[in-house]
Amino acid sequence: QQPVQSPQAVILREGEDAVINCSSSKALYSVHWYRQKHGEAPVFLMILLKGGEQKGHDKISASFNEKKQQSSLYLTASQLSYSGTYFCGTEWSARQLTFGSGTQLTVLP
Amino acid sequence: NAGVTQTPKFQVLKTGQSMTLQCAQDMNHNSMYWYRQDPGMGLRLIYYSASEGTTDKGEVPNGYNVSRLNKREFSLRLESAAPSQTSVYFCASRADRAPYEQYFGPGTRLTVT
Repeated sequence: QQPVQSPQAVILREGEDAVINCSSSKALYSVHWYRQKHGEAPVFLMILLKGGEQKGHDKISASFNEKKQQSSLYLTASQLSYSGTYFCGTEWSARQLTFGSGTQLTVLP
Repeated sequence: NAGVTQTPKFQVLKTGQSMTLQCAQDMNHNSMYWYRQDPGMGLRLIYYSASEGTTDKGEVPNGYNVSRLNKREFSLRLESAAPSQTSVYFCASRADRAPYEQYFGPGTRLTVT
């Protein structure tokens, strides 16, 4: 079952923060986050495993609330290069990811 | 180190024609995947292969067949193309160790008229 992402789109100014949410109705083993720029392939950002850990990657971090089956992606002090579509991929069956419909992030100068 | 490669990059087919999309990875990964991406939508899994010699259906397998030729190559075949199969197709492979990321190929843009 496809995870639900919110918001569908967000527009920021450089330096502003954003949060993208991903929720699933199924018990999850892990959550992946990917970014896709227009006309390109998705690129891996990070994976959150069961256990509710928070991970960071430069100024992009994420958390996973196992009880709620929710993950959030945090982008702080956004840069122009952060623009793109962000997808969460949820894993509840071995080695298979189910992707959300994406959040389109636009960072303006 | 090329990562995941796909051919062709673009293809136009007429309804009823057949074709095979090729995918190869040079990272020695066991798991490989085929996804389709339609405008404004996420990636939907067509088929996957957890190891050489095994394949399993994903979310949208109808109208497609796959072959895991060896550990490197995983092909997707459309036997009788339909306009509903117009999409961008991505092949991916997945690392066998943490952080288990998926690497995607550049995609094939397929139009069926």
